[in-house]
Amino acid sequence: DTGVSQNPRHKITKRGQNVTFRCDPISEHNRLYWYRQTLGQGPEFLTYFQNEAQLEKSRLLSDRFSAERPKGSFSTLEIQRTEQGDSAMYLCASRRETGGAIGELFFGEGSRLTVL
Amino acid sequence: AQSVTQLDSQVPVFEEAPVELRCNYSSSVSVYLFWYVQYPNQGLQLLLKYLSGSTLVESINGFEAEFNKSQTSFHLRKPSVHISDTAEYFCAVSYGGATNKLIFGTGTLLAVQP
Repeated sequence: DTGVSQNPRHKITKRGQNVTFRCDPISEHNRLYWYRQTLGQGPEFLTYFQNEAQLEKSRLLSDRFSAERPKGSFSTLEIQRTEQGDSAMYLCASRRETGGAIGELFFGEGSRLTVL
Repeated sequence: AQSVTQLDSQVPVFEEAPVELRCNYSSSVSVYLFWYVQYPNQGLQLLLKYLSGSTLVESINGFEAEFNKSQTSFHLRKPSVHISDTAEYFCAVSYGGATNKLIFGTGTLLAVQP
């Protein structure tokens, strides 16, 4: 059983560097979501894809953040010129969306970013 | 604004005691409600969900939650907890629509003590 896979699991970087996280969703899941979770908070929605189309971005996603899902399969989340406030757990989740039905959202184990 | 409130950041309880984790959401015409559990160093896992129908929903490991529309609540309960239930529990709501995104509460740490 291959669930949602995220890499790397941990990333430590210096302020100002760029980082990229990868998410491999469950195959045949057409919806892919990115969330951010900081200490003591619940996950906060960042953006989502329907196949390869990015359909919504949160205000939390500044212009330093970019996400792609080029072939409607895996997705990448890139943060440019990282700041200490970017330190968080970045969560990826996927689901199979059919005709508006609420399917279960499956989460990966997350990628923890620490910006020094 | 759409929001979920979990008033208790931490709930300590002794093993075999009952527990209730509270969740309230901002009102809307239709909502879909979820409880997720996060064990240490693991990802979020769906515990149970309310989409429609019976307002009382149950999980396979003894948890239950009741959708109360008048009180806009979806509290999670278990009559007898185990040490292994120690985890962070997140309540989440979806208001449907095109995004179908989940809005999460801040989480409640259930700390079961022997």
